Parts: sequence; C-alpha cells; structure tokens
Amino acid sequence: EAQVTQNPRYLITVTGKKLTVTCSQNMNHEYMSWYRQDPGLGLRQIYYSMNVEVTDKGDVPEGYKVSRKEKRNFPLILESPSPNQTSLYFCASTHRWAGANYNEQFFGPGTRLTVL
Amino acid sequence: KQEVTQIPAALSVPEGENLVLNCSFTDSAIYNLQWFRQDPGKGLTSLLLIQSSQREQTSGRLNASLDKSSGRSTLYIAASQPGDSATYLCAVFEYGNKLVFGAGTILRVKS
Repeated sequence: EAQVTQNPRYLITVTGKKLTVTCSQNMNHEYMSWYRQDPGLGLRQIYYSMNVEVTDKGDVPEGYKVSRKEKRNFPLILESPSPNQTSLYFCASTHRWAGANYNEQFFGPGTRLTVL
Repeated sequence: KQEVTQIPAALSVPEGENLVLNCSFTDSAIYNLQWFRQDPGKGLTSLLLIQSSQREQTSGRLNASLDKSSGRSTLYIAASQPGDSATYLCAVFEYGNKLVFGAGTILRVKS
C-alpha cells in the first residue's frame, strides 16, 4: 500500500530535549515536505526537499532541521524544542507528473507534539 | 506572496442539503489546486485535484471547479450526510514548489 508514515504519532517532551520525528514514504517520490498545523494559522510549510541531499526552507523553518540522506526518508529534527513548537506536524510526499503540471500531495497521519 | 482564503469559515446545514464551499487565491501561477478533508485531530485525506489546465473534477457526490484566471475554486457537495462533517481545506501548489493552504471551512451536517 502506497503511504507516508510518521513516528511517533504522539510525543510529550520537555524544553530543550532534542527529538526527531521520522517520516518515510514508499512511493519513490523525489519531493517531500514538512508542515505544522496550528489553530487559526492553518498549515504552514517548515522545510521541503526536492531530492536526496537537497533541502530548502519553507515559511517557518526557525528551530527545525531536516536531512535527506535517502529518497524514502525525511526526518524532522528539533535540536532544542520550545513550547511554541507545540503543534500538529505533517509530513508529505509529492507525486510530480513530468510535463503535466500536476503535483499531488500525500500526507502522513500526523504527529502531535507537546513541549512542556 | 500567495494567499488562500476560504469562505465560509464554518457552515452548519441539515442533512440532504446541497452546499458550496469557496476558495480564492491571489496568485494564478499555480500547478494545481487540491481539496482535502480533515477529521478532528486526524490527517488529511485528498478529495479532488484539479490541474491548472482543467476546469473541474468530480468524485461521487463531490464536484470541484477551478477558474484560474479569477483565482477561484468551489467545492460542491451534493446531498450532504452527517458523515461529511469535517474540516475542508483548499490548497494550491504554486510554482515555488510549495503547497499553500487556506484556513479551512468547518462543516457540520445535522441529522
């Protein structure tokens, strides 16, 4: 089954304790991205990756890091989490249809992070 | 900067009613527009995707239209059911390789 998986699904941590949220897709997509969703602000892009070893900042990258060492995985790293990073996080993988101007996004189930 | 607006922010209708959700975007330089459904605390389910060259897409009771030149899309839901209750999100995939979301419309269908 084609899917995007995230782990963990729920995480409660304390300020300053480094954490990693994993994301994996089995669709061989080159393009992946991370979003956070907050009440009243909607979904905002944190980082995206066009391919292996190619990453770039989205709209709200501060306090986050990513890496793309292999095509299927795109982990999100919070080196020193703070309470304002409490949010619902989504990883997404994009199918890009070459020459068709068609980009369909597939989302993971989400990770609810609480930073105390 | 691309901005996506969804109207109304919330909608409550009786079961069986046909309804329209509206989405507008400020920059027409988009690859496609995608409608999603999100249940409380859950992930996003893709409903319909309209390429920039298309005018509409249909799936079951759902029909989405796109007028790229005016920056508008509508999602039409026919014969609404309580199971349709959810938040509906509109998003455009812009040339900057980013999906920009609207804030969503919270739909409640009363039985």
